[in-house]
Amino acid sequence: AQSVTQLGSHVSVSEGALVLLRCNYSSSVPPYLFWYVQYPNQGLQLLLKYTTGATLVKGINGFEAEFKKSETSFHLTKPSAHMSDAAEYFCAVTPANSGYALNFGKGTSLLVTP
Amino acid sequence: GAVVSQHPSRVICKSGTSVKIECRSLDFQATTMFWYRQFPKQSLMLMATSNEGSKATYEQGVEKDKFLINHASLTLSTLTVTSAHPEDSSFYICSASSAGGNSNQPQHFGDGTRLSIL
Repeated sequence: AQSVTQLGSHVSVSEGALVLLRCNYSSSVPPYLFWYVQYPNQGLQLLLKYTTGATLVKGINGFEAEFKKSETSFHLTKPSAHMSDAAEYFCAVTPANSGYALNFGKGTSLLVTP
Repeated sequence: GAVVSQHPSRVICKSGTSVKIECRSLDFQATTMFWYRQFPKQSLMLMATSNEGSKATYEQGVEKDKFLINHASLTLSTLTVTSAHPEDSSFYICSASSAGGNSNQPQHFGDGTRLSIL
């Protein structure tokens, strides 16, 4: 079975500060990992994904995440927060090459203050 | 990029009404579609997985007679909430994948449907 744990249901940062959203996963098989962003009353938009290859993956809007197998982590970072980054962020996992649905974490609400 | 259109975006109706939600892949063939439910301030919970031309696979605890899913073509899946009651009020989101078993291809999400049952 696969699952993800997102530490911190709410994270608040100042505009221009580093954004760090934590995600740890549990998987009995090699995982594919994803980060999605959700704005109010909207669907999910893919930020980035890790499948194979380079463990540091870059996504849209300046976000990146690093897959660390030894730590079973896939934390999301952005060097400098913008006001427009305020949203709900979901980490998700699925078994590699399975075609299965995603298992989502509970989400982290990011607040960016001026 | 791949686009998934979900319609309607919002529904308000009386208790006992049946509501149909459509999920369309506009520029790719979706061999698999997923239906999720999201309660306020919570994560997405998978309800069912549907493959084109096959019966949907429902997650434990999801009533298949309550939530009817049809995936008759490679571009359209529908979720019908039958005899909806206030406890069915939620945000329903579909996603579509052309992966056909390869989850390397991300799922593309619709914008969701806000269902409110009075």
